[in-house]
Amino acid sequence: QKEVEQDPGPLSVPEGAIVSLNCTYSNSAFQYFMWYRQYSRKGPELLMYTYSSGNKEDGRFTAQVDKSSKYISLFIRDSQPSDSATYLCAMIKGGSEKLVFGKGTKLTVNP
Amino acid sequence: DGGITQSPKYLFRKEGQNVTLSCEQNLNHDAMYWYRQDPGQGLRLIYYSQIVNDFQKGDIAEGYSVSREKKESFPLTVTSAQKNPTAFYLCASKETSGEGKNIQYFGAGTRLSVL
Repeated sequence: QKEVEQDPGPLSVPEGAIVSLNCTYSNSAFQYFMWYRQYSRKGPELLMYTYSSGNKEDGRFTAQVDKSSKYISLFIRDSQPSDSATYLCAMIKGGSEKLVFGKGTKLTVNP
Repeated sequence: DGGITQSPKYLFRKEGQNVTLSCEQNLNHDAMYWYRQDPGQGLRLIYYSQIVNDFQKGDIAEGYSVSREKKESFPLTVTSAQKNPTAFYLCASKETSGEGKNIQYFGAGTRLSVL
């Protein structure tokens, strides 16, 4: 079983839709959770950073962590064509130097 | 502006040739990382360094070498021993203490192809 599982998609939605992106993980030692956005042929950029269970909101983006289920989500409200990118989940154990990434979900928002 | 600069943006390697990818950061970060990204594979860790003159192998270090002579610089050499070097290479850096110690920041990447 891989440490982090992420559905690669592709996911295609109409503009204005609510998008839900998800990752599951197997190691309960993961404590810090991140979502990165990567445009084609560019480096990943940090979108959200959360610690432990709960929700964190930033504008149209909400990150949700459920440690009991080992499940994290990223919700995008009122999706825009500019949100079209690959979204990578990442997580790290406390005291570790190594981020573990999901394989990424490719999202297309159609005008 | 603070950031991570990778160069060149595109690089071509001939058979049997070693090539070096540059990564420079002016964020005053102690730790630096090299990843390889292949389609459908996600990011895989090649090497990382937490301090000058010290570095550790990641998950796929074979065929690669690094040096860390300055805090700002962490070049990656793809040697002729790496038989499948075609990929997108990403450099990252982060702080090693404080609230930001788990967050890695990435450069724009170098795309390496074999001629």
